[in-house]
Amino acid sequence: NAGVMQNPRHLVRRRGQEARLRCSPMKGHSHVYWYRQLPEEGLKFMVYLQKENIIDESGMPKERFSAEFPKEGPSILRIQQVVRGDSAAYFCASSASAGNMDEQYFGPGTRLTVT
Amino acid sequence: AQSVTQLGSHVSVSEGALVLLRCNYSSSVPPYLFWYVQYPNQGLQLLLKYTSAATLVKGINGFEAEFKKSETSFHLTKPSAHMSDAAEYFCAVSIMNRDDKIIFGKGTRLHILP
Repeated sequence: NAGVMQNPRHLVRRRGQEARLRCSPMKGHSHVYWYRQLPEEGLKFMVYLQKENIIDESGMPKERFSAEFPKEGPSILRIQQVVRGDSAAYFCASSASAGNMDEQYFGPGTRLTVT
Repeated sequence: AQSVTQLGSHVSVSEGALVLLRCNYSSSVPPYLFWYVQYPNQGLQLLLKYTSAATLVKGINGFEAEFKKSETSFHLTKPSAHMSDAAEYFCAVSIMNRDDKIIFGKGTRLHILP
């Protein structure tokens, strides 16, 4: 049973370009969470999605960032017009059900570097 | 609001010595508490979690943590450190019966000295 998959593992973008980060949850999981880890910091919650719905986006920056989890295919975190401050590791996690009794399984992360 | 404070961004212990990583939390409602480990260039792996059952929680790789409500602490311990324990450790809190975010501490990097 494959774990949470994220691609690409490393992404380099120039300022002003768009970054698309993909997350395929574990088989049977319909709940996806995105976190951002800045250097020397812990993970910060960004957004929680279920299939086709955004449940909680309280951690998402108000501009340039968006997320989706379509009925078919992976969850996408999209960052438009990237800036240097967007350089970070972005982690996706998935769980089988709502409620935090159920463990969130983390992917290996995508390390975004903005030059 | 919930928060987590990890004391010490770097901790060094000798191989075979006791590991103690400190975590204090703040929560106005009963919390769930977690310890995660992150090896270089990998995602987070759950070590253990407290969910209001036993206050002493045993996890993988010989780690355990004790929930102390009076001290608002959830320190992580292991009796004898192994070289393979070198990693970054994150304490985290979430709210019981909520279905979303986990609040993470800033992490403690554990170094094992030969």
